[in-house]
Amino acid sequence: NAGVTQTPKFQVLKTGQSMTLQCAQDMNHEYMSWYRQDPGMGLRLIHYSVGAGITDQGEVPNGYNVSRSTTEDFPLRLLSAAPSQTSVYFCASSSGHIEAFFGQGTRLTVV
Amino acid sequence: GDSVTQMEGPVTLSEEAFLTINCTYTATGYPSLFWYVQYPGEGLQLLLKATKADDKGSNKGFEATYRKETTSFHLEKGSVQVSDSAVYFCALSDPPDMRFGAGTRLTVKP
Repeated sequence: NAGVTQTPKFQVLKTGQSMTLQCAQDMNHEYMSWYRQDPGMGLRLIHYSVGAGITDQGEVPNGYNVSRSTTEDFPLRLLSAAPSQTSVYFCASSSGHIEAFFGQGTRLTVV
Repeated sequence: GDSVTQMEGPVTLSEEAFLTINCTYTATGYPSLFWYVQYPGEGLQLLLKATKADDKGSNKGFEATYRKETTSFHLEKGSVQVSDSAVYFCALSDPPDMRFGAGTRLTVKP
């Protein structure tokens, strides 16, 4: 059972570089979302999607883009990395009111 | 908007002590409530959940009751173990929105 798969697990970027964090789920969930986890701040929602072709902004969307071309995949793009984007990123998927399933996380450092 | 407030940590207990981590929420609808646990270097795992008022979620000796009158979902365990050391997150779900508390780090000493 793969569940939610995130890649890469670790990444170091230089300021101004761009990159894409990958997220895939094999549970046919309609909802997918991206969070960032920072010390003392819990998880904050970046972007979410309620189905293929539909995305919306969360609490902290600036500097990030998403797309949802298929039910399975929900990549997160950093357009021009900044040190403030140093964080641990989690992708999650869910269906209705059942629990969200999380990936293992991507630890991103921007220098 | 919806929000979750949980007891700040860190919390340090001795093995077999009683645990309570407080959680209160604000929501306009009728959310489901969850406790997630995060072990070092891992993602979040569901610990327990409750989908309506007065429901009690339970798992691995942990319990929490959905109290609509006090908008609370406090996590309790009667006797903690060293293996319970982790970060605990309270969360609410009102699809597609899911909101998390700041997390409470629990350390259990032998």
